[in-house]
Amino acid sequence: KNQVEQSPQSLIILEGKNCTLQCNYTVSPFSNLRWYKQDTGRGPVSLTIMTFSENTKSNGRYTATLDADTKQSSLHITASQLSDSASYICVVSVSRNQFYFGTGTSLTVIP
Amino acid sequence: NAGVTQTPKFQVLKTGQSMTLQCAQDMNHNSMYWYRQDPGMGLRLIYYSASEGTTDKGEVPNGYNVSRLNKREFSLRLESAAPSQTSVYFCASSEQGNTEAFFGQGTRLTVV
Repeated sequence: KNQVEQSPQSLIILEGKNCTLQCNYTVSPFSNLRWYKQDTGRGPVSLTIMTFSENTKSNGRYTATLDADTKQSSLHITASQLSDSASYICVVSVSRNQFYFGTGTSLTVIP
Repeated sequence: NAGVTQTPKFQVLKTGQSMTLQCAQDMNHNSMYWYRQDPGMGLRLIYYSASEGTTDKGEVPNGYNVSRLNKREFSLRLESAAPSQTSVYFCASSEQGNTEAFFGQGTRLTVV
């Protein structure tokens, strides 16, 4: 069964600290993996897209990694800010219009 | 610089009423999507349109219809709303199906 599982479900960290969010998937075949940030009450915003051949991709303080062999991805946030408080969603694409969404990790950054 | 615009932002319907959710994008994208987001679940695809003039069912199409009016606009219609359709609905678009997707702000629909 095609699934995308994210951990932890929620996370609270102090401002300025780093954190890593995990995404494990059983989706096959694999086309690409995306990380989105969703602020409360708003639509998701794309952070990164990685294809099978990409191991790492950065977007400012966000760095995503992908291990296609173990079917794992992580999103590392460096020097967290209050504005990083959001839900982070992992999405795996099978084909052009077939996507599997994780349920997200809710991150809260406290001063 | 609008991106993807959805209307309305909020709506309350009575069971059995009908309504249409509107979505428009100004990025000249080929593909457009309608998702619903429910607590504790990932976004689920209702319908998508890979290109102007085509529409296809997604994971949860029952109770919905769509129209790709032109390249810019993709509407979602609920013919007879049910409480199970209470959800937040997102429209999204992308240049092609496997490129970056841009989402609207969402429509929060409550069916009583």
